[in-house]
Amino acid sequence: AQKVTQAQTEISVVEKEDVTLDCVYETRDTTYYLFWYKQPPSGELVFLIRRNSFDEQNEISGRYSWNFQKSTSSFNFTITASQVVDSAVYFCAFLNRDDKIIFGKGTRLHILP
Amino acid sequence: DTEVTQTPKHLVMGMTNKKSLKCEQHMGHRAMYWYKQKAKKPPELMFVYSYEKLSINESVPSRFSPECPNSSLLNLHLHALQPEDSALYLCASSQVLRGGVNEQFFGPGTRLTVL
Repeated sequence: AQKVTQAQTEISVVEKEDVTLDCVYETRDTTYYLFWYKQPPSGELVFLIRRNSFDEQNEISGRYSWNFQKSTSSFNFTITASQVVDSAVYFCAFLNRDDKIIFGKGTRLHILP
Repeated sequence: DTEVTQTPKHLVMGMTNKKSLKCEQHMGHRAMYWYKQKAKKPPELMFVYSYEKLSINESVPSRFSPECPNSSLLNLHLHALQPEDSALYLCASSQVLRGGVNEQFFGPGTRLTVL
């Protein structure tokens, strides 16, 4: 069975702290895609990053960084020096070979001023 | 233009009404999607269109009827809905369905309330 697990339901940190959101996936596919999306209170899902299964290079984009490790089936997301505007629900997602995107349950992140 | 637009933003309808949700993108994407999202839950896939043909139907009740009139437009026709169908309906598009650049870009959603 294919599955995405975001074990952290809700996290609260004080502004300027670093925070890591965990994502673990299960699949027997050799080719797959992983994504992170942000959903602020307005409701729109905002695409953050895509990774395919052949590319284990970590990525940094400003204050955001992603750590993809196939050995542990994890695709974790770190926000450095968090800001109040980072408050949102973050979804990790997996695209399977049937072209269906499977979302994790999401992590609700609160950045406290 | 890197935007997916959805209308209306909010919709309240009775169980006997017929209404439609509209989604539009002008990014040249050839795959379009409908999702349903209940409060505090992840989005659930309903339908996928690829090159204007229905590619995936996730066993959605027939009271939801999708339509893709052209490559930029996606509609969701609603008829005889139930109160439990109240949710945020999200439209998304991606360049292609299989392989290639397949990240999905989402619209702001239509918040539907069925009375």
